[in-house]
Amino acid sequence: DTGVSQNPRHKITKRGQNVTFRCDPISEHNRLYWYRQTLGQGPEFLTYFQNEAQLEKSRLLSDRFSAERPKGSFSTLEIQRTEQGDSAMYLCASSLGDSGRRTDTQYFGPGTRLTVL
Amino acid sequence: DQQVKQNSPSLSVQEGRISILNCDYTNSMFDYFLWYKKYPAEGPTFLISISSIKDKNEDGRFTVFLNKSAKHLSLHIVPSQPGDSAVYFCAASGVDSNYQLIWGAGTKLIIKP
Repeated sequence: DTGVSQNPRHKITKRGQNVTFRCDPISEHNRLYWYRQTLGQGPEFLTYFQNEAQLEKSRLLSDRFSAERPKGSFSTLEIQRTEQGDSAMYLCASSLGDSGRRTDTQYFGPGTRLTVL
Repeated sequence: DQQVKQNSPSLSVQEGRISILNCDYTNSMFDYFLWYKKYPAEGPTFLISISSIKDKNEDGRFTVFLNKSAKHLSLHIVPSQPGDSAVYFCAASGVDSNYQLIWGAGTKLIIKP
């Protein structure tokens, strides 16, 4: 399977704990995106990497959230001091983008469902 | 503020008939629009897109229509098949969103046999 993979698929944690999610993009893709999706809503953009550089962060990404993409391959999203409002599906997507500033076709992973008790 | 709206949370269509999913947007700077399909327990899958320089794009059973003056787009599926039952998301992007996708809330399409 050469699609986007995410681990874990489900995570249950207690409020105040830290959690980390991993995303493995399609191997040749240079762009990687993180989204958050809550029930009954569409995905909301969180952050975007071009290779290893984090180029954009949404204002939704509070200072408790941090994302990395070392070496431009896999990415991790860490949430510190989790709150109940962080409960959501966290989606990762990757794309093959050229140097132009346009919207690429993004390929999504299955997501990590986070439940904060 | 919801810049991309899908006002129908669900739609039920008979197998073999046409399914029409609608999407409205408010930002006139959006210039690229996409439809994604999502099955339970899977991530969204790209279906079809359209640039603002066009008013129609077709791919097999799927056609997207764009009405820029009305800030409205629609996805037509003809004929509808049971495997089309899924949640359909409309998304848009443009310079105002820094080319990031702004998504609607989705419409759940149910194809009845």
